[in-house]
Amino acid sequence: SQKIEQNSEALNIQEGKTATLTCNYTNYSPAYLQWYRQDPGRGPVFLLLIRENEKEKRKERLKVTFDTTLKQSLFHITASQPADSATYLCAPSYSGAGSYQLTFGKGTKLSVIP
Amino acid sequence: GAVVSQHPSWVICKSGTSVKIECRSLDFQATTMFWYRQFPKQSLMLMATSNEGSKATYEQGVEKDKFLINHASLTLSTLTVTSAHPEDSSFYICSAPSASSSYNEQFFGPGTRLTVL
Repeated sequence: SQKIEQNSEALNIQEGKTATLTCNYTNYSPAYLQWYRQDPGRGPVFLLLIRENEKEKRKERLKVTFDTTLKQSLFHITASQPADSATYLCAPSYSGAGSYQLTFGKGTKLSVIP
Repeated sequence: GAVVSQHPSWVICKSGTSVKIECRSLDFQATTMFWYRQFPKQSLMLMATSNEGSKATYEQGVEKDKFLINHASLTLSTLTVTSAHPEDSSFYICSAPSASSSYNEQFFGPGTRLTVL
């Protein structure tokens, strides 16, 4: 069965630095992969989606890469701010898994220290 | 962006009672909605896929007779936890893909915190 691993449960970085979060998956490559942000006691909020034939996607200070050889997606936040502190979830989606169905990793809790 | 609401945001009930949670898509129609459960420091686990006008599809290990799902309209899905027990205490979240989105992004509700005493 598919396993999704996010590099660490928690990541602390200094304000202004670039945060890099990792999402690894086993076996089959997803058709696309989404990243979400979740704040405590709230539902996840969609950030970015990248397709398997795309290498990189950007949105403001966010960047996602997708390497099907390494079976890995990296999520970068540049010029990080304390307001970026949250749990970030990756969610691969596989063809044939059912329309729109997502499987979530455990998430990485990012803390940006002022 | 599309908005999904949930009601109630939190509920405390006695063991053995039933609790209904509503999930509404406020500015779009959703033929499909998803119900997730999240325990502390754990990821979201998909419980079931709610389909408008037909039966819900449950994930392995989720009791369909315990977690009743009704998707009676294009904007409303309900999850009823029947005969709730303390182990059902969790954070329940619904989501819906926006029909207008070509990227299958999902819009999540704010979640419902269920505590069973």
